[in-house]
Amino acid sequence: GENVEQHPSTLSVQEGDSAVIKCTYSDSASNYFPWYKQELGKRPQLIIDIRSNVGEKKDQRIAVTLNKTAKHFSLHITETQPEDSAVYFCAASAPSNTGNQFYFGTGTSLTVIP
Amino acid sequence: NAGVTQTPKFQVLKTGQSMTLQCAQDMNHNSMYWYRQDPGMGLRLIYYSASEGTTDKGEVPNGYNVSRLNKREFSLRLESAAPSQTSVYFCASRSYRARGETQYFGPGTRLLVL
Repeated sequence: GENVEQHPSTLSVQEGDSAVIKCTYSDSASNYFPWYKQELGKRPQLIIDIRSNVGEKKDQRIAVTLNKTAKHFSLHITETQPEDSAVYFCAASAPSNTGNQFYFGTGTSLTVIP
Repeated sequence: NAGVTQTPKFQVLKTGQSMTLQCAQDMNHNSMYWYRQDPGMGLRLIYYSASEGTTDKGEVPNGYNVSRLNKREFSLRLESAAPSQTSVYFCASRSYRARGETQYFGPGTRLLVL
């Protein structure tokens, strides 16, 4: 099955700096890559996603890049703010006969220091 | 439109007791999922249901059973709870869009097995 690795596990940045979180995947059939933000005690919520036919996607301060050849994708947050502090999860999904499964990375705890 | 709902929010069980976690969605989604979340482990798939009437094992199905009662409801049962099943359980449902396959998560159930 798919294996998703996520780095770093913890990340601290100064407010206003950029944060980058990286994920790799193993299954070349994976074609959908969402990113989730989870605040303490809350449910994961989708913040951005990308399909395998796109190399980059941007939504205001958040961007995701995908390199299919190298099987890695990254989340970029610019001009970080204290409210960006949370755990971020990447995931990969591939189609199958029994329906799509989602495989998650182990998460990155981001702290934005005011 | 409540989205994905889960009951109960918290539960304490003794080893060997049984219980059922309930999940319902009102978004007319075909696919539903059960995950467990443990510190440092990310989200791991227990079971999923690609459509009404079908269920399939995920990454960590041992000790659990599921029922897709109808299109809206997907329950998770612990027949004989063990301390290793102490975790936060999330239910999710999935839409399909031409540009992505978004998962929506419920608020979670925090389970402690003594």
